[in-house]
Amino acid sequence: AQSVSQHNHHVILSEAASLELGCNYSYGGTVNLFWYVQYPGQHLQLLLKYFSGDPLVKGIKGFEAEFIKSKFSFNLRKPSVQWSDTAEYFCAVNARNFGNEKLTFGTGTRLTIIP
Amino acid sequence: DGGITQSPKYLFRKEGQNVTLSCEQNLNHDAMYWYRQDPGQGLRLIYYSQIVNDFQKGDIAEGYSVSREKKESFPLTVTSAQKNPTAFYLCASSIPSLLEETQYFGPGTRLLVL
Repeated sequence: AQSVSQHNHHVILSEAASLELGCNYSYGGTVNLFWYVQYPGQHLQLLLKYFSGDPLVKGIKGFEAEFIKSKFSFNLRKPSVQWSDTAEYFCAVNARNFGNEKLTFGTGTRLTIIP
Repeated sequence: DGGITQSPKYLFRKEGQNVTLSCEQNLNHDAMYWYRQDPGQGLRLIYYSQIVNDFQKGDIAEGYSVSREKKESFPLTVTSAQKNPTAFYLCASSIPSLLEETQYFGPGTRLLVL
């Protein structure tokens, strides 16, 4: 069975700092990878996704993620965070060819940005 | 506006009571999903449906039931058999695909036990 690890449970940064949130998965086959964000009081939104092709994926609001197959990782990055990036971030993975009923989520990383 | 709506936003359940959470989508998506979100545990799949009149159990289906009589609607009933129902419930929908499927989420319903 696949699993997803987000080792950073709570990250606190100052505005303009650079961000990297870790995401590692365990599955030996081909995967689809997602980052979702949940802003306070709002619904879960898709930040970016990787299906195939260029392993560097750009998403909304200046976020990007890099798929490194050899490390089973899909870390989320942003060069300069803003106060409005305060939210909870979830990494998710599903095995390609199995559909989204096998979509597995990490436990989430709470990001707090200090003005 | 296309999207997924969930109601109510907050729901209170008494002991021994069944409650039903609503999920409606106008995205013309065939697949719909119910997740439960608990602090520090991420999202766990309760039930999913890939087509009308068909649904499958997810990882934590015990104490829950669903129906899928219409493409747009996928209500979730939390039965009295669910001993720990307090959680945030999220509904999602998608166009099913074995290769490139993306789920989109509703705003959620928070269920509290009185």
